[in-house]
Amino acid sequence: ETGVTQSPTHLIKTRGQQVTLRCSSQSGHNTVSWYQQALGQGPQFIFQYYREEENGRGNFPPRFSGLQFPNYSSELNVNALELDDSALYLCASSLVAGADGYTFGSGTRLTVV
Amino acid sequence: GQNIDQPTEMTATEGAIVQINCTYQTSGFNGLFWYQQHAGEAPTFLSYNVLDGLEEKGRFSSFLSRSKGYSYLLLKELQMKDSASYLCAVSLGGDKIIFGKGTRLHILP
Repeated sequence: ETGVTQSPTHLIKTRGQQVTLRCSSQSGHNTVSWYQQALGQGPQFIFQYYREEENGRGNFPPRFSGLQFPNYSSELNVNALELDDSALYLCASSLVAGADGYTFGSGTRLTVV
Repeated sequence: GQNIDQPTEMTATEGAIVQINCTYQTSGFNGLFWYQQHAGEAPTFLSYNVLDGLEEKGRFSSFLSRSKGYSYLLLKELQMKDSASYLCAVSLGGDKIIFGKGTRLHILP
């Protein structure tokens, strides 16, 4: 059974650029959630996808968007990058109604300069 | 709004016991998670409480009081490898989980 994999692991972008982060969910999991974690803070919920549809969104602007594919993998897209977007982006997969919580990927460290 | 509070930092000695508290006020509640996160790594699942009471799992125990909106994580026989951040998280339902800011635990030899 494979876990959650994210790519790339590290990324440096310039302010104003666009970025796409990718996530492969754990086998058998149908829900993917994305979190932004700034240094020294807890993960902040960006949005969640269930069966290719957005299933809830946190307090993030529309320039944060996502996709989920039929194989339950997912992408997070961020347009018009700002310096404050520098953070660790975590993808987590889960099975709806599962009591084991989320399985997290190792994250993508995004630096915006 | 959603609010989850936990201390920012705590320090304890190797071999001792430490209790990390968490209070929450959320619009929904299905259960409460504790995660451990080492620096630069992903959070890993420690415990999940749905009903009131204490759940014990080896050196770690977690307690929940739903009426008080309160939980704690108890770590016994502390080891140096327990130095990490501990995240309290609430399951709101619909498979959504929100996190507190985390408690950085420092273990001294």
